[in-house]
Formats: sequence, structure tokens, C-alpha cells
Amino acid sequence: QSALAQPASVSGSPGQSITISCTGTSSDVGAYDYVSWYQQHPGKAPKLIIYDVYNPSGVSHRFSGSKSGNTASLTISGLQAEDEADYYCASYIASNNPFVFGSGTKVTVL
Amino acid sequence: EAKLVESGGGLVQPGGSLRLSCAASGFSFNLYTMNWVRQAPGKGLEWVASISSGGTTYSSDWGRFSMSRDNSRNTVDLHINRLRAEDTAVYYCTKDRGGLSAFDIWGQGTLVTVSS
Repeated sequence: QSALAQPASVSGSPGQSITISCTGTSSDVGAYDYVSWYQQHPGKAPKLIIYDVYNPSGVSHRFSGSKSGNTASLTISGLQAEDEADYYCASYIASNNPFVFGSGTKVTVL
Repeated sequence: EAKLVESGGGLVQPGGSLRLSCAASGFSFNLYTMNWVRQAPGKGLEWVASISSGGTTYSSDWGRFSMSRDNSRNTVDLHINRLRAEDTAVYYCTKDRGGLSAFDIWGQGTLVTVSS
């Protein structure tokens, strides 16, 4: 199973909004509403920020998720310095290997 | 507060075996699927294996990775055989949110280094 495709990097200025895409196939992202997003700061464990495509996991409401066809997206509104981190998407697949992660996106706050 | 603590990492020779353990606390352990996710140095996240509350297992490499759980001790183990250099990574224990949907609790990770 290949990793879901994410842009390697996205950048924005404080206060701006940015969107990270996560492109899969009709067997993973397109098939189920089980897309999740994780934030990872350097040297730290990842942290769940969005589950089931849209639902925030106890984090700031500046983070929102969506999906269209085989592509899921994470939008960060009102970008802040603390949002500078790596972001990964993941999707459930109905197979013996039930999860696939995205390739990861480094967010830089200019 | 839900918490996961991994142990068992270290330096291992190629071809060797290793058992990683994860101790859980602060939630009803027996109700949840547990997973291992790894991250090679400077690389992305990779799902390794899962075990459901009922003991059904899933593995990214059936011949080398296997999981077990002890609901009486709130622990899960990851057994890795025939270790290769490319298995060098931080291994994270994670709790599933429910129904194989998302990983909502992560441990701090344990580093496995495969080298002679």
C-alpha cells in the first residue's frame, strides 16, 4: 500500500489560512470517512488533531478537515507560530493492513 | 489521564529479535484496539501492527511483526524478528479511538537501532 500523497511543504504568514491536501484512492480516502490528521513538533510524539474527516480532537477550532472524492484536506486558519510542525494524514483501508499514512507536510510560519 | 509508556528499545544486531512493550493506564484498556506505529530517522510515520480488543491481529509484515496483549496487566507487546537496518526507527504505541478510525493516544516512543 503506497503512502497517501501530501505536499512536502506549505508555508504562510501569521494570521493567514493554509490548506494541506492528502490524496489517496477510491480504496482508502475515497471509500471511508475515517481520515485523521496528526501534528508532530520536532522531537515529540504525534498528536491527533482531526478524526473521521471533520471532527476536531480537543484542539483549537482553527483546525478543520474536509474531504472531496479521493482527497482530504486540513485547513489551519489564523496561522500562529506554534502551528509550525509536521502534519500527517492517515486513512483506514479495509484490508489486512488497515491503515495508511500520508507522506507528511512541513508547515512553516513565515 | 490516558497514558502509554513504551519500553524495550535499544541496539540490536541485524538478524536478531526484539520485544517492545507498552504499558497503558487511565482508560479501559480491554475495550480498545492498540497499535504500533514507527518513524525512521527523518522520515514519515508508518503503521506497523494492530491488535483488536478481542485479540485479532493485523501486521504490515506477517513474517516478522506480531502483536500480543495482556488485558489483565494492561500491556501490549510487539515482537520483531529478523531485524534489518531499515527497521531502525522510533516505535510508538498508540491507542485506537474506536473502530480502527484514528490514533488518539500516543506514547513517547522507544528507539530501536539495528546495527552491527
